[in-house]
Amino acid sequence: EAGVTQFPSHSVIEKGQTVTLRCDPISGHDNLYWYRRVMGKEIKFLLHFVKESKQDESGMPNNRFLAERTGGTYSTLKVQPAELEDSGVYFCASSQVSRVDEQYFGPGTRLTVT
Amino acid sequence: AQSVTQLGSHVSVSEGALVLLRCNYSSSVPPYLFWYVQYPNQGLQLLLKYTSAATLVKGINGFEAEFKKSETSFHLTKPSAHMSDAAEYFCAVSSNTGRRALTFGSGTRLQVQP
Repeated sequence: EAGVTQFPSHSVIEKGQTVTLRCDPISGHDNLYWYRRVMGKEIKFLLHFVKESKQDESGMPNNRFLAERTGGTYSTLKVQPAELEDSGVYFCASSQVSRVDEQYFGPGTRLTVT
Repeated sequence: AQSVTQLGSHVSVSEGALVLLRCNYSSSVPPYLFWYVQYPNQGLQLLLKYTSAATLVKGINGFEAEFKKSETSFHLTKPSAHMSDAAEYFCAVSSNTGRRALTFGSGTRLQVQP
C-alpha cells in the first residue's frame, strides 16, 4: 500500500511568487490534514478535510493560503503571494474516517522563500 | 484547548543507555497522546499512541510510554539506546471529540553517542 506522497519535495521561490504544494493521501483515507513547521518551531495544524469538505481551517495563517481537495482525493495548498515567513516544511497527513487516532504523514515539502 | 510541552530540545545519551524523553500535556477533554519520530530526510512515523486503554503503551523499536493523568505526563522511554535511534521525536495530543487535529510539542532531537 502506497503511503502519503507529497510534491515537490523542495521548492525555492522568491517573495511575491506563487507556489502550489500537492498531497496524495493513502487510498481510501477520507481525512486529510495539512501541517506546517517553520524553522525551529513546533509543527502546527493548518486545516482538515473530510473528503472534499473543509472540516476545520482554524490554523490557516491568512488569506494568502488556499487549500483545495476537489473530488475528495488529492489536495493542493497554494500560497499566493509568498512571504519570507512562509518558509518551512509543509506536512500532509491522512487517516480513515473511523481511525482518527492514527494519522499517516507524508515526507513533507520544504519551502524556501527568498 | 490543548498544548504539549517537551522538556529538552536536545538529549544526548550513550549507546546502551536509557532513553528518557519528557512530555507534559494540557487538555480540557480526555486526551489521545502520541509519540512520532522523524528520521533525517523522512516524514513523521508513529511510534506509539495512548487512546484511553492501557496506561503503559508499547510501540515500535522497543519504545514505550506511560500515561500518568495525575502528572499530565506521557514520557517516552527505551531501556537501551541504539545508534539508529538518533532522530527527532515529537509528542502530540488530540482527542476523540471535537477537533481531531494533532497539537505537537516543539520536538526533542536525540543524539546517541558511540
